[in-house]
Amino acid sequence: EAQVTQNPRYLITVTGKKLTVTCSQNMNHEYMSWYRQDPGLGLRQIYYSMNVEVTDKGDVPEGYKVSRKEKRNFPLILESPSPNQTSLYFCASSLNPRLMPSTDTQYFGPGTRLTVL
Amino acid sequence: DQQVKQNSPSLSVQEGRISILNCDYTNSMFDYFLWYKKYPAEGPTFLISISSIKDKNEDGRFTVFLNKSAKHLSLHIVPSQPGDSAVYFCAALGTGNQFYFGTGTSLTVIP
Repeated sequence: EAQVTQNPRYLITVTGKKLTVTCSQNMNHEYMSWYRQDPGLGLRQIYYSMNVEVTDKGDVPEGYKVSRKEKRNFPLILESPSPNQTSLYFCASSLNPRLMPSTDTQYFGPGTRLTVL
Repeated sequence: DQQVKQNSPSLSVQEGRISILNCDYTNSMFDYFLWYKKYPAEGPTFLISISSIKDKNEDGRFTVFLNKSAKHLSLHIVPSQPGDSAVYFCAALGTGNQFYFGTGTSLTVIP
């Protein structure tokens, strides 16, 4: 089954304690990205990656790091989490957005709800 | 600054009637637009898309209209069904392969 998996699904942590949210896809997609969803702000892209070892900043990259060492994995790293990073996070993957057919799109994971105390 | 805007946070429609969800954007360089549907506790799922070279795309009950001169797109759902109740996000693909999402419209279809 084609899917994007994220772990953990729920996480409560404290300010400053480094954490990693994993993301993995089994569709051999080149493009992967991370979003955060906040009330009144919708979905905002944090980082995206066009392929292995290629990452770019989205709208809200501050306080986050990513890496793309393998095509299937795209972990999101918070080196020193702060309360304003409390949010719902989604990972997504797709073919190259410029090349995918109109019936194809980004596939989203189920989300990770992060609370930073 | 929000480059993709959905000015109606919520919309209620009777079952069987038309639902019209609206979206405005500010960047004329956007060349691909999408609509996603999101249920609680799930990730967004793709509904329909449209390239900037078209003004309409239809898929079953869903039709997306694009008015480039007004920088406006809309999603029409006909007929609306209770299972359509969800949050709908419009999104745009910008140069550099970055996606921009709106703030979402919560649609309630009343049986």
